[in-house]
Amino acid sequence: EVQLVESGGGLVQPGGSLRLSCEGSGFSFSSYSFNWVRQAPGKGLEWVSYITSTSGTIFYADSVKGRFTISRDNAKNSLYLQMNSLRVEDTAVYYCARDSASDYVWGTYHRDWGQGILVTVSS
Amino acid sequence: DIQMTQSPSSLSASVGDRVTITCRASQGISNFLNWYQQKPGKAPKVLIYVASSLQSGVPSRFSGSGSGTDFTLTISSLQPEDFATYYCQQSYSTPRTFGQGTKVEIK
Repeated sequence: EVQLVESGGGLVQPGGSLRLSCEGSGFSFSSYSFNWVRQAPGKGLEWVSYITSTSGTIFYADSVKGRFTISRDNAKNSLYLQMNSLRVEDTAVYYCARDSASDYVWGTYHRDWGQGILVTVSS
Repeated sequence: DIQMTQSPSSLSASVGDRVTITCRASQGISNFLNWYQQKPGKAPKVLIYVASSLQSGVPSRFSGSGSGTDFTLTISSLQPEDFATYYCQQSYSTPRTFGQGTKVEIK
């Protein structure tokens, strides 16, 4: 059974930092690209970041570029999101989502999702 | 960035109804369009990818169509477990933008 389990969320003050983790099991972690997708309270889905299986290609949404860093450790079956200079508007449930391919190609989709982890940025 | 616009934003329907949700892209995206279902407090789940391919395990009452800029998700006979919010997402370019969602409620 495919499982994605996020951790590392919580309450942080504006300007602070947080590191999210997502551990995968039940599949060959190193064979897939991954995404982070977030959802502010009562709002829709927002794609945040993407990383290929070898970390060779990485993308960010403009809203987080320069503040967030995506990375992965295939030996640990883990995906990470380092979030710095956090803002109130970063408050959201953050999901890790396994992509349907290993590399950046047209037509991929988010085939499996974690349960989500809440990040609250507030003073 | 490619903008995705869904309509309607919400709808009320009865069990057994045929339901259609549309998604329009701000530029042509070929058939690189996915549909997700999200229930309250749960993670989204993929239903349809590349416009019309049904994800394994998804009931056949769900279908997708379209290409270019206009796409449709159809539920042929709405079931109680289908009351949820539905999102389209383009996979033509980065950022992989989502539509704003369509909430399907019980009439």
